[in-house]
This record gives sequence, C-alpha cells and structure tokens, in this order.
Amino acid sequence: DTAVSQTPKYLVTQMGNDKSIKCEQNLGHDTMYWYKQDSKKFLKIMFSYNNKELIINETVPNRFSPKSPDKAHLNLHINSLELGDSAVYFCASSQGTDRGAFFGQGTRLTVV
Amino acid sequence: GENVEQHPSTLSVQEGDSAVIKCTYSDSASNYFPWYKQELGKRPQLIIDIRSNVGEKKDQRIAVTLNKTATHFSLHITETQPEDSAVYFCAASKSWGKLQFGAGTQVVVTP
Repeated sequence: DTAVSQTPKYLVTQMGNDKSIKCEQNLGHDTMYWYKQDSKKFLKIMFSYNNKELIINETVPNRFSPKSPDKAHLNLHINSLELGDSAVYFCASSQGTDRGAFFGQGTRLTVV
Repeated sequence: GENVEQHPSTLSVQEGDSAVIKCTYSDSASNYFPWYKQELGKRPQLIIDIRSNVGEKKDQRIAVTLNKTATHFSLHITETQPEDSAVYFCAASKSWGKLQFGAGTQVVVTP
C-alpha cells in the first residue's frame, strides 16, 4: 500500500519511561514531519526533516528527539515520559516544503 | 510567528444545505493554504488547497476562496451530506513546510 505508516498505533506506558514511535513513507517524498494533537484536537508541528536534515524544530522539550536515518523514515524518541505527553502523535510527509502533507494514522500515547 | 484563527468552532447544518468555515491569518507573507478533514479517530486528510496567486479553487462540492488583502480564506461545502460530518482544519504556511493550523471546526450534518 502506498502510505505513511507509523507504529505502534497505541502506546500505554508509565511516567519516566523512554519510548519510540516509528514512521515510514513509501510515497517518495523528501520531507517528513511530526505533529502533536492534544485532547482539544489542536494540531501543532514539532519537527520537520527535508532530505534527512532538520529544518523545523519547534519549542519542544529536549526529551523529544527525532531521528531520520533516510528520506523514507522519521522516528521519534521520547525520554522520561510525563503525563502531559499524552496525545496523538502524527507523522506526515510531503514532496517539497511548500505542499500539503499526507498524514500517518497516528499513535495514541497514554502516559499513566 | 504565524497565527491562524478559525470560525466557527462548531457548525450544525441540515443535509443539503451549505457550510462555510472561515479562517484569518496574521502573516501576510503566507502563500499556501490547505484544508484538512479529520473524521473521528482517523488521520487528517488533505481535501483542497490554494496558493496565494489564486483567488478561488473548486473541486466538486468543495471550494476555497482567498482574500489576500484581508488575509482570510474560507471553505465552502455545498449540498452537504452526512459523510461530510468531521472536524475541518485550515492551515497556512509561507515556507519550509511549517503549517500553522487553525483550531478546527466540528461540522455536523443532520439528515
């Protein structure tokens, strides 16, 4: 299937743990993103990579670290998880930086 | 930075009627304006977009208009159907893929 796919779909973990979310796109896009959607449905960009280079790094705690091993993958590692990190995290990709992004199915992270 | 305001936050329409969602943006240099539809529990999906060199764009029952002078843009859905029920997000960006999203509009189409 042609898509942006991210794993896992659901993630429940305890405070203080470290977790990773993986994302892969087979659309041949050169730009990938991580977005956070909070409980009020507000979508906010966290990071963006263009050709494996970090181009957007919003005001995000440094507990969040993205990693792009190649143009088709963008992973998100979160250290020392906090209750406030609970949200849906969406990976997305686009061809170029001035186009609409295609979103993955989301990862619902719940920190207990 | 860019700030996008979206109204209304909820919109209830009867099936067959039209729905209009409005957004204003703060950075006059913004040049790309996509709209996304998000059904419950699903991913946001791009439904239409417009660039600053165009005033209006239409795709079947949906259309988007852009007023650069007033820095606002709108989504119009005609002949609404129950499957149009979803949260709709507007967004704006000027460069480097940094989409700034509006807060979303919950559209409910009642039969």
